[in-house]
Amino acid sequence: LAKTTQPISMDSYEGQEVNITCSHNNIATNDYITWYQQFPSQGPRFIIQGYKTKVTNEVASLFIPADRKSSTLSLPRVSLSDTAVYYCLVGGHDTGGFKTIFGAGTRLFVKA
Amino acid sequence: EAGVAQSPRYKIIEKRQSVAFWCNPISGHATLYWYQQILGQGPKLLIQFQNNGVVDDSQLPKDRFSAERLKGVDSTLKIQPAKLEDSAVYLCASSIQDRDTDTQYFGPGTRLTVL
Repeated sequence: LAKTTQPISMDSYEGQEVNITCSHNNIATNDYITWYQQFPSQGPRFIIQGYKTKVTNEVASLFIPADRKSSTLSLPRVSLSDTAVYYCLVGGHDTGGFKTIFGAGTRLFVKA
Repeated sequence: EAGVAQSPRYKIIEKRQSVAFWCNPISGHATLYWYQQILGQGPKLLIQFQNNGVVDDSQLPKDRFSAERLKGVDSTLKIQPAKLEDSAVYLCASSIQDRDTDTQYFGPGTRLTVL
């Protein structure tokens, strides 16, 4: 399984765009990139998933360069409620099933 | 659609006691995961089931932890005997794994405190 590296923490202000980059140099050909969000006292929640180029949904965008060795989660116009831990996961099918690993995550603090 | 249910939400025990956690996944989800999340860290996979078979339990401390998934639906995770370092949140997740991808849906977790 590919190991991921993310910044430990980031600060932002309300209304700004936040970009969190994740490095995954050993990503395998069949691996997908997935981001989860976790608030205190809750389980992680799926945000977005992609394989290559750009994926956008109602919450975020995910940018993946051609070499796929990194990815960037973009949160447009963050609010105080976006303060959370964001996890980047890389995973794919392995013997017996789909395998992924959570890293330490990035703690995002959004200030007023 | 009902989410992943877990119980209890909180549990306080003394070291060397035993404890069990229960998880009811989303209906139709064949894959079930148990994670341990220590404060300040990311979730660590303990065991992964596909229906009622174990896919990965490489990080499960088998001398004290056990898990089962009867009939491929509900699951229980047991710790016996508990140690101080087992204090953590235990998260259950389920997913429908399609051919290429996997989206996990998490329950609220059970916060275990071992005194």
